[in-house]
Amino acid sequence: DSGVTQTPKHLITATGQRVTLRCSPRSGDLSVYWYQQSLDQGLQFLIQYYNGEERAKGNILERFSAQQFPDLHSELNLSSLELGDSALYFCASSVGPGTFSGNTIYFGEGSWLTVV
Amino acid sequence: DAKTTQPPSMDCAEGRAANLPCNHSTISGNEYVYWYRQIHSQGPQYIIHGLKNNETNEMASLIITEDRKSSTLILPHATLRDTAVYYCIVKSRVTNNLFFGTGTRLTVIP
Repeated sequence: DSGVTQTPKHLITATGQRVTLRCSPRSGDLSVYWYQQSLDQGLQFLIQYYNGEERAKGNILERFSAQQFPDLHSELNLSSLELGDSALYFCASSVGPGTFSGNTIYFGEGSWLTVV
Repeated sequence: DAKTTQPPSMDCAEGRAANLPCNHSTISGNEYVYWYRQIHSQGPQYIIHGLKNNETNEMASLIITEDRKSSTLILPHATLRDTAVYYCIVKSRVTNNLFFGTGTRLTVIP
């Protein structure tokens, strides 16, 4: 158990709909990351937050948005869903934003999203 | 960010050491080498990381060459539960992000 909690574990929704995925980081971690894993794309970095502020952006679509709240939990909002958005969405957390030894990134178990 | 090259797949007999190689010839001086694994569709699991020196923990050993252009992850006594995709990643020095490649699919054979 990494200490990163994600809900829901599984979600099935229709095209055009909107969903929210939730993540609670490990106790003491201030930085949160979102990743997407689909069959054809592998693990892709979406976005990073540190202490409520956006820190880095990866291959995140404009239909997707995220935020980190004052209690440090984070939500990933996916809207106007398409079949191709079906994937595993992982949240991860680390102590801080920078690169230093010990600032290891730990992953949650993911949220399976199926768009039908 | 430095790219890594790993063999797509490897087999290892149960109880033997599994040696997983990784090339990262464009690594910069302050960039760390990280290893993660992903068992089926579970969340990636942190294994070990290093900068210049060899490292060992309860899961594995990491051997980094002196020029830092390659490394080897060693699982000393592979078990069936070690069957997974293993990712070698050079960690971004700017944003602490991990950029995953295609990894090595390790199959431990009974």
